[in-house]
Amino acid sequence: DIQMTQSPSSVSASVGDRVSITCRASQGISNWLAWYQQKPGKAPKLLIYAASSLQSGVPSRFSGSGSGTDFTLTISSLQPEDFATYYCQQANSSPFTFGGGTKVEI
Amino acid sequence: EVQLVESGGGLVQPGGSLRLSCAASGFTFSGYWVHWVRQAPGKGLVWVSYINTDGSYMKYADSVKGRFTISRDNAKNTLYLQMNSLSAEDTALYYCARGGKDRAMDVWGQGTTVTVSS
Repeated sequence: DIQMTQSPSSVSASVGDRVSITCRASQGISNWLAWYQQKPGKAPKLLIYAASSLQSGVPSRFSGSGSGTDFTLTISSLQPEDFATYYCQQANSSPFTFGGGTKVEI
Repeated sequence: EVQLVESGGGLVQPGGSLRLSCAASGFTFSGYWVHWVRQAPGKGLVWVSYINTDGSYMKYADSVKGRFTISRDNAKNTLYLQMNSLSAEDTALYYCARGGKDRAMDVWGQGTTVTVSS
């Protein structure tokens, strides 16, 4: 099975900050990677698919990069509504494992 | 509106069974893979199972293989998860999710809670 390791597990940031979250796969997954945002009490929301493609309706301050084993989600200028937990997920092969999550806090 | 609505969760004793449902609307259900994902209280997301468009192919996480069965009824636009031999470790909020572009999960339901306890 492919293991997904996210770092950091939490980050403290301020409105306007640039925030980057990394995700490492235990083996190469090409660009089969998605990023999700989850707010407390809510279902996850797809932000990025295919490592760098922005899901329709998602603000352009979110971007994804990487290929193979190393990936990054970047929020260019953190907004109040971005405080949430973020998960990466590999879509290369079953089981479609998620990373452990990164909580972005004020 | 594209929507997934889960139901069927509840309190069940260890060793018991439960069947979850996920009703789809607003899109051509038969054209999409669908997944079950769960989240234990205070924990992260865990992929559980998926099924292909016509129900002929499915995969499971090792933790549920042999106990859970995913199925779908495209005529009823509904996804199911039959859960048997439940244990406390299965306690979680269960989400269904649509498999969209590049296999990403682009539409999620609100979840249904399963609690396994005596």
